[in-house]
Amino acid sequence: DIQMTQSPSSLSASVGDRVTITCRASQSISSYLNWYQQKPGKAPNLLIYAAFSLQSGVPPRFSGSGSGTDFTLTISSLQPADFATYYCQQSYSTPYTFGQGTKLEIK
Amino acid sequence: QVQLVQSGAEVKKPASSVKVSCKASGGTFSSYVISWVRQAPGQGLEWMGGIIPILGTANYAQKFQGRVTITADESTSTAHMELSSLRSEDTAVYYCAITDRGYFQHWGQGTLVTVSS
Repeated sequence: DIQMTQSPSSLSASVGDRVTITCRASQSISSYLNWYQQKPGKAPNLLIYAAFSLQSGVPPRFSGSGSGTDFTLTISSLQPADFATYYCQQSYSTPYTFGQGTKLEIK
Repeated sequence: QVQLVQSGAEVKKPASSVKVSCKASGGTFSSYVISWVRQAPGQGLEWMGGIIPILGTANYAQKFQGRVTITADESTSTAHMELSSLRSEDTAVYYCAITDRGYFQHWGQGTLVTVSS
C-alpha cells in the first residue's frame, strides 16, 4: 500500500495568513493526488484533484502543486471558514490511501 | 445536483453484521463508481472498497477482504455496504462517495455505526 504522510499534523494561523500543508507519498504517484477539507461532524469536501485542479465551487485562494512524491496545498489568505482539518489522498492505485490529516486552528 | 443520502445510525453487538445504504439522486447511478470510506472517532479516513453499479463488480481493500460486501441496486439507485464479524474497532462513521478517477467527488452525510456489547 502507498503510505501518505502529511506535515504538519497541526497548525495555528491567523486570518489573512498564507498557509502551506505538505503531503509526501511513499512512492511516485505522478499527479494522482487529491485534497479534502473536513469540518467537525461533516463529510469531507473535495478541494483539489489531480494535484492542482480546483474543484468547481472551491474558492481560488486554494491551490495545489507537486508531482511524483511531494505535494503541497496552499491557502493564499486564510478566511474564518478555512479553519478545519485537511487530508491528502492518493488515487494512483488501490487501496486508495489518505494522509493522517492536518488540523488548522485559529491562532 | 448529485446527492447521496445514507441510512441512519446503528448500534450493533460484537460478532454481528451491519448493512448501510446509500441512495443516489440527481444523476445517472449506473455510470458512477461508488466507494465506501470510514472514519473512526477522532481518526483519519480509510477507503474500504468500491463498486461500479453497471458492472456489478466490487473492489475491496485487502484489510476488509472477507468481511465486507458492497452491492448496488440500479432499480433503486442505492448502494449497500455490509460489514460482518463486527468488533469494537469497527465503531466509526461510514461514508459513501461518488468516485471519479479515484477522487471522492460527492459524499453522503455519513452513518455512525457503534459496536458495543
